[in-house]
Amino acid sequence: AQTVTQSQPEMSVQEAETVTLSCTYDTSESDYYLFWYKQPPSRQMILVIRQEAYKQQNATENRFSVNFQKAAKSFSLKISDSQLGDAAMYFCAYRSALGGSEKLVFGKGTKLTVNP
Amino acid sequence: DAGVIQSPRHEVTEMGQEVTLRCKPISGHNSLFWYRQTMMRGLELLIYFNNNVPIDDSGMPEDRFSAKMPNASFSTLKIQPSEPRDSAVYFCASSQTLSAGYTFGSGTRLTVV
Repeated sequence: AQTVTQSQPEMSVQEAETVTLSCTYDTSESDYYLFWYKQPPSRQMILVIRQEAYKQQNATENRFSVNFQKAAKSFSLKISDSQLGDAAMYFCAYRSALGGSEKLVFGKGTKLTVNP
Repeated sequence: DAGVIQSPRHEVTEMGQEVTLRCKPISGHNSLFWYRQTMMRGLELLIYFNNNVPIDDSGMPEDRFSAKMPNASFSTLKIQPSEPRDSAVYFCASSQTLSAGYTFGSGTRLTVV
């Protein structure tokens, strides 16, 4: 079974600085999808960014980018120019590309604090 | 589209009572998922449906939990009888394709006293 590990329970960053959240996963599959979700205090789960394993290019969405290292099974999230609204729980998630395996496997999350 | 709609947003009930959580997925999404979130266990998949058919219910904690999807636009998660340890946030999510990830509802915070 696939597992996702987020080794940093909490992180903090100064406003306007850059922070990187770590995620590693374990799988024997070669084709899959990886995601980062944000959960602010409102508890709404928001998709931040996604990466297809077959793509070598790292995904980018405005101030959010990933560093995808397939051989190392690592998928970190970089937040540039951090804003107060970025404060939230961040969850890394894995999804198999095999049909019949639609479920997302989540890590335990990293709580990000943004200091003014 | 209004997104995934869950009701109620909050539910407080007494131990032993029946609780029904409701979910309306996004139109056109063919997969629906029920997750439970607690501080101790994080996000746990309870059950998911594909084209209204239950595919994997291995995460359903015990027989007190049941889920149905009578049609493509509605699903329920029922707990009978409820216990204090069922207190959690319950999320419903829907998905159209494997690559797209999920769209989550706003969750139901259940408190069993």
